[in-house]
Amino acid sequence: AQSVTQPDIHITVSEGASLELRCNYSYGATPYLFWYVQSPGQGLQLLLKYFSGDTLVQGIKGFEAEFKRSQSSFNLRKPSVHWSDAAEYFCARLDNAGGTSYGKLTFGQGTILTVHP
Amino acid sequence: DGGITQSPKYLFRKEGQNVTLSCEQNLNHDAMYWYRQDPGQGLRLIYYSQIVNDFQKGDIAEGYSVSREKKESFPLTVTSAQKNPTAFYLCASREHRAGQPQHFGDGTRLSIL
Repeated sequence: AQSVTQPDIHITVSEGASLELRCNYSYGATPYLFWYVQSPGQGLQLLLKYFSGDTLVQGIKGFEAEFKRSQSSFNLRKPSVHWSDAAEYFCARLDNAGGTSYGKLTFGQGTILTVHP
Repeated sequence: DGGITQSPKYLFRKEGQNVTLSCEQNLNHDAMYWYRQDPGQGLRLIYYSQIVNDFQKGDIAEGYSVSREKKESFPLTVTSAQKNPTAFYLCASREHRAGQPQHFGDGTRLSIL
């Protein structure tokens, strides 16, 4: 079964510091990958998505992610974190079966980001 | 504005009672999904529907039921057979085209009285 792993359950950074959240996916053809953010008690908001082409993907709120097939990784980065970035972040992979996309997402366990002033 | 509306925001259930969570979307999306979220466990798929009048079980369907009579609506019923229903429930929808992301509602928190 396809899987997504976020190795870090909780990360703490200082405001203004750079950020990298890790995501690894199980091997499979043409992965469709996403990063979502969730504030407490809210739904998930899409930050960015990767389908194919340029391996560096730009998203909203100043986030970017880099797809590395050789490492099966899709890490999320931000050069300077703001206090409002404190939230939980989910990496997700779109499942494909038999060439037809059923749209099922496999989520990582999430990484909680705390930002210190 | 187009979006996904979940109601109510908070819901309380008595032991042995069925409750229904509402999910409505005006994005004209074909596919809709229900997830359950528990602390430290990420999101787990309960049911999904690719088209009206059709739906499939996800990974944790036991104790839940759904219907898809209209494109816009995908209600979830938490039955008395679900022994641990306290959780945060999220509804999502997407265009049924390859690679399209899911868009989420703001969730319903269900608690047992």
